[in-house]
Amino acid sequence: NAGVTQTPKFQVLKTGQSMTLQCAQDMNHNSMYWYRQDPGMGLRLIYYSASEGTTDKGEVPNGYNVSRLNKREFSLRLESAAPSQTSVYFCASSKELASGMSSSYEQYFGPGTRLTVT
Amino acid sequence: TQLLEQSPQFLSIQEGENLTVYCNSSSVFSSLQWYRQEPGEGPVLLVTVVTGGEVKKLKRLTFQFGDARKDSSLHITAAQPGDTGLYLCAGGAGNQFYFGTGTSLTVIP
Repeated sequence: NAGVTQTPKFQVLKTGQSMTLQCAQDMNHNSMYWYRQDPGMGLRLIYYSASEGTTDKGEVPNGYNVSRLNKREFSLRLESAAPSQTSVYFCASSKELASGMSSSYEQYFGPGTRLTVT
Repeated sequence: TQLLEQSPQFLSIQEGENLTVYCNSSSVFSSLQWYRQEPGEGPVLLVTVVTGGEVKKLKRLTFQFGDARKDSSLHITAAQPGDTGLYLCAGGAGNQFYFGTGTSLTVIP
């Protein structure tokens, strides 16, 4: 059980280049997420997918696109990278808790992709 | 919009000391998670609390969810160097999560 996996682990791009960050989870979770983490800013949600076939914008979606390829995989694409997109990107998935309380979830993260745009 | 405020932002203590980290909000959450993140790694889930007033213990770590489900605390007893890391709280609203900016803890041997 690998949990949440991300590729690549590191990437350097030049301004204007494009790339896709890959994420997969083997926990059969319905919901998946992409965050970016910057110093002093915490984790900010870029996009999320509540289920296969659906995606929604988060707090900072500009400059990104996503694809929920199937239940396991959720990719993040940068069409034209900018230096402001230099960050650490985390993919996560979540499961609903069988706690008796409605709509409670907990989230599991991948190891991250460290992206530098020059 | 920063819905969750964590304090303190930085904490440096000697091994064996006790500490408490706070996570406060004006919003009500259906759940509250605590994570620890080490340099170069993703956040690792420590605990989830869902009931107002709930207390959970994980070895030397004690987590509490406020009665009104707006705030939480993490207390570490007899801190060890292995506790060093970034501690993040996250409030859950359905399947969406709102993160605090974190508390960076250093435990000096």
